[in-house]
Amino acid sequence: ETGVTQTPRHLVMGMTNKKSLKCEQHLGHNAMYWYKQSAKKPLELMFVYNFKEQTENNSVPSRFSPECPNSSHLFLHLHTLQPEDSALYLCASSQGRLAGGIDRQYFGPGTRLTVL
Amino acid sequence: AQKVTQAQTEISVVEKEDVTLDCVYETRDTTYYLFWYKQPPSGELVFLIRRNSFDEQNEISGRYSWNFQKSTSSFNFTITASQVVDSAVYFCALSEPYTGANSKLTFGKGITLSVRP
Repeated sequence: ETGVTQTPRHLVMGMTNKKSLKCEQHLGHNAMYWYKQSAKKPLELMFVYNFKEQTENNSVPSRFSPECPNSSHLFLHLHTLQPEDSALYLCASSQGRLAGGIDRQYFGPGTRLTVL
Repeated sequence: AQKVTQAQTEISVVEKEDVTLDCVYETRDTTYYLFWYKQPPSGELVFLIRRNSFDEQNEISGRYSWNFQKSTSSFNFTITASQVVDSAVYFCALSEPYTGANSKLTFGKGITLSVRP
């Protein structure tokens, strides 16, 4: 039911590598999100995009670089990561309505990232 | 600042037992929304319920029920007659008031529920 896909599902990279995570939503939504889920910690919101514009950067280190070329696609470019960046990275989307209510977020299955 | 506390970290029950997952929240806003999500081993978060702050009616959906108490800032989730398929991590979340086109969620740390046959 999710309608949000993420690739790859698993990624192992060295600290000097550059890689990208991809998220695609098939729900016609206008808002997309990146979350980080580390062991024993709450989900942390990283970035929010609305209509391709970044509207939230939750003090994320610059080694994480998001890109939203259109409302259906969201990327997270990774470079010179640290071992503590190992986590599950979840993408979500929502309708992003402009007035009233809180629309639910639909989540993808996540990318399990391991930084060696 | 908003905060969600799920004091229970791990719960283990035997199939057919009832189990309640606790959620306590903090917010200064009078308008807010509360959510519960389920995260099975596959990883994706599955939406279970959304409740706004003006609706304190309890809700039942099959074996699931939710008890919203504004007086104690709690939004507890009960699974009746638990099943093995209920094994998952359950997250409670709180939203900020609607600003622009965003919905911004603050999550608790999650509760790992294990249901044994």
